[in-house]
Amino acid sequence: EDKVVQSPLSLVVHEGDTVTLNCSYEVTNFRSLLWYKQEKKAPTFLFMLTSSGIEKKSGRLSSILDKKELFSILNITATQTGDSAVYLCAVAGGNTPLVFGKGTRLSVIA
Amino acid sequence: NAGVTQTPKFQVLKTGQSMTLQCAQDMNHEYMSWYRQDPGMGLRLIHYSVGAGITDQGEVPNGYNVSRSTTEDFPLRLLSAAPSQTSVYFCASSYSWGVGATGELFFGEGSRLTVL
Repeated sequence: EDKVVQSPLSLVVHEGDTVTLNCSYEVTNFRSLLWYKQEKKAPTFLFMLTSSGIEKKSGRLSSILDKKELFSILNITATQTGDSAVYLCAVAGGNTPLVFGKGTRLSVIA
Repeated sequence: NAGVTQTPKFQVLKTGQSMTLQCAQDMNHEYMSWYRQDPGMGLRLIHYSVGAGITDQGEVPNGYNVSRSTTEDFPLRLLSAAPSQTSVYFCASSYSWGVGATGELFFGEGSRLTVL
C-alpha cells in the first residue's frame, strides 16, 4: 500500500526563521512528488518533482527530491506570517491516484 | 475558465438524508476525484474516475456513490448521511492519467458538510 509520511505534523516559528518540512514515501512505480499549500480553502500547487537531486525554487520556497532515500524536503527561508498554512505532500505512483500525507501545519508568529 | 466548480459550498443535513455534491470542470480533464478532509487526517480519496463511464473506489468509499456520464461532471452522492460524514469535501481534476502522467491536481474550493 502506498504511503506518505510528513514530519513534523506541526511547527511554530518566528518571522525570519528558516524551516524545513519533510516528506517520506513508499510507492510502487514512482512518477512524481507534489507539494501543495493550503490556507483556508483549497490546496494550491507549489512544486512537482520527478527527478532526483534537482532543486525547484520559487522565491523563498525550494524543494528537492531524493529518489534513492525516498524523501523530499520543502524549505522556506525568511518566513513571513503569510507562510502560515498547512503544507501537503502527495505522491503519484503506477496507475494509482495521488496519495497525500497528513500535512504539516506551519504557524509563523511576528 | 472557471476551473473546477463545486456546489454547494455549505450544507447541513440530518442523519439519514441524502444529497449530491456537484463538481464540474471546464478544462477537458480526463481524471476527476473526490477527497474528504478531516482535522489531522490530510486528504483521503473517496472515489475517482479516469474518464467518462469509468469510476473506481479510493481509500474511504463507504457511504458514497459516484457516476461519470460526461467528461465535465463528477457528482458525489451521499445515500443516507451519517454524522461520520461531517467533513470538508474537495473535488479535483487532472489532465492526464496513467503511465507517464505526473498527477498535478486542480482543486475546487471545497464543500463543508455537517451531518446532525
